[in-house]
Amino acid sequence: DAKTTQPNSMESNEEEPVHLPCNHSTISGTDYIHWYRQLPSQGPEYVIHGLTSNVNNRMASLAIAEDRKSSTLILHRATLRDAAVYYCIPPGAGGSYIPTFGRGTSLIVHP
Amino acid sequence: ETGVTQSPTHLIKTRGQQVTLRCSSQSGHNTVSWYQQALGQGPQFIFQYYREEENGRGNFPPRFSGLQFPNYSSELNVNALELDDSALYLCASSSRTGGAGANVLTFGAGSRLTVL
Repeated sequence: DAKTTQPNSMESNEEEPVHLPCNHSTISGTDYIHWYRQLPSQGPEYVIHGLTSNVNNRMASLAIAEDRKSSTLILHRATLRDAAVYYCIPPGAGGSYIPTFGRGTSLIVHP
Repeated sequence: ETGVTQSPTHLIKTRGQQVTLRCSSQSGHNTVSWYQQALGQGPQFIFQYYREEENGRGNFPPRFSGLQFPNYSSELNVNALELDDSALYLCASSSRTGGAGANVLTFGAGSRLTVL
């Protein structure tokens, strides 16, 4: 199974961009990278996913390194509501998508 | 479309008792996964159900069992409760289309279990 490494925590100021890194050096060529976030007292919610090229949606952007060994979730303008734990998730083994969560990165946003 | 709903939201049990947690999957989804989340930790995978059959299991003892029904809703049963079973139990539904790696999970808000 692919493993991921994320910093335990990061801090940002409101209205500033945030770059959340993830290393996934053991990922295979067909594995998507998914990002979820978990707001306090809520279940995780999907943020974005990608395979090879950079991806954008209304919540964030995902920049995937050319060698696919790392990716960065980009929040273009952090708000207080973005304070959450962000999880970088590799897919499960054998093509059966069973996401395995680590401890994620706890993002603190200062007003 | 409706999201994933879980019940009950909170419950308190004593050691040795049994508990059943319920999950209604999002409309159009045919796969349900259950996770246990202890305080300060990431969600830990318990098992997944697809077409009413268990389709993968994490490192949890047999006293954790589940069911998926024809309407794709699901139950998580835990027998002989232990203090360490106190956690947030999360249900997530997904649809097996577009390739396994592209499937997106939709989570419920969870059921908070306290074992005394």
